[in-house]
Amino acid sequence: GENVEQHPSTLSVQEGDSAVIKCTYSDSASNYFPWYKQELGKRPQLIIDIRSNVGEKKDQRIAVTLNKTAKHFSLHITETQPEDSAVYFCAASNNNAGNMLTFGGGTRLMVKP
Amino acid sequence: DVKVTQSSRYLVKRTGEKVFLECVQDMDHENMFWYRQDPGLGLRLIYFSYDVKMKEKGDIPEGYSVSREKKERFSLILESASTNQTSMYLCASRSFGTGQDEAFFGQGTRLTVV
Repeated sequence: GENVEQHPSTLSVQEGDSAVIKCTYSDSASNYFPWYKQELGKRPQLIIDIRSNVGEKKDQRIAVTLNKTAKHFSLHITETQPEDSAVYFCAASNNNAGNMLTFGGGTRLMVKP
Repeated sequence: DVKVTQSSRYLVKRTGEKVFLECVQDMDHENMFWYRQDPGLGLRLIYFSYDVKMKEKGDIPEGYSVSREKKERFSLILESASTNQTSMYLCASRSFGTGQDEAFFGQGTRLTVV
């Protein structure tokens, strides 16, 4: 089955700096890669996703890049704000077969004001 | 507004008890999931269901079983609860084949086994 690894497990940045979280996946058939944000005491919520036919996607201050050859994808957050502090999870799925969604281990991002 | 609802926010059970965690979604989603969330270990998949009465084991199915008798409801069963099953349990649902790939999560059930 799919295995997703995520790094780093914790990340501390100064407000206004950029943050980058990286994930690797094992199953070359995976074709959908979402990122979820989980604030303290709340449920995970989708913030951005990318499909395998696209190399990069942006939404305001967040962007995701995908390298299918190397089987890794990354989340980039620019101009970080204290409200970006949360746990971020990457995931991978093969949407053509079964739709099982496998998550990485999570990254706790702390943005210091 | 989409909804995934878990029956309990907090549960305390005794070792050896049979425990049922219920999850209901109102989005007519085909796929439903049970994850376990532990600090430093992320979201680990326990079981996945892709249709009524259909299920697949995830990464950590030992000690758990599931039931999906109706499309909207997915139950996680701890046959004989043990202290190492103390954790946060998250249910999620997702459509299949519609292009709407987002998974929606329940609010979580924090289970403590004493």
